[in-house]
Amino acid sequence: GAGVSQSPSNKVTEKGKDVELRCDPISGHTALYWYRQSLGQGLEFLIYFQGNSAPDKSGLPSDRFSAERTGGSVSTLTIQRTQQEDSAVYLCASSFAPRSGGNYGYTFGSGTRLTVV
Amino acid sequence: DQQVKQNSPSLSVQEGRISILNCDYTNSMFDYFLWYKKYPAESPTFLISISSIKDKNEDGRFTVFLNKSAKHLSLHIVPSQPGDSAVYFCAASGGNNRLAFGKGNQVVVIP
Repeated sequence: GAGVSQSPSNKVTEKGKDVELRCDPISGHTALYWYRQSLGQGLEFLIYFQGNSAPDKSGLPSDRFSAERTGGSVSTLTIQRTQQEDSAVYLCASSFAPRSGGNYGYTFGSGTRLTVV
Repeated sequence: DQQVKQNSPSLSVQEGRISILNCDYTNSMFDYFLWYKKYPAESPTFLISISSIKDKNEDGRFTVFLNKSAKHLSLHIVPSQPGDSAVYFCAASGGNNRLAFGKGNQVVVIP
């Protein structure tokens, strides 16, 4: 597609349920990043993929969070047993390669707003 | 631990005047800095960047200044326009593949 696509755009879930957030990067972009923005906070790094592998998972806040990427394309971020503190906007970005270009090559999606009630 | 700090979360400025946004960082390994702009309900978009080998980069109405000794950078927008009303994020990288972002500054340009 022309841009980074994320779905759903909004998700309301009950505490304790599992959720899956999807990111469809720009075709040909090998690097994919997940960030989240909680209320009043900056963008918090979660995980980075190069192809299908994740060389940097250090930002995942707990073992309830996991992510995978298949076919070097679509990525899914899964949050198990959601908690209220997981409420945030989850942003995905992709680029042709890590640290590529003067702008870092990041293109962000519009995000998924997750609300845990 | 916030490695990139943006204080003064909001700024109001008259159209035509200068907007100055400040950003401080703590990690001396950071060597590349960027500013992103975000409108409500939209994704952040790249605005301007600067490498640590420079102290100034200019692109039209936008100029970024870097003071490495003070671990400080600033974004100047002049003249400010109503369309500049947005949240501006400062970001930095130290050679790995992630960007560290600040909390953002809300800019309101008053017509």
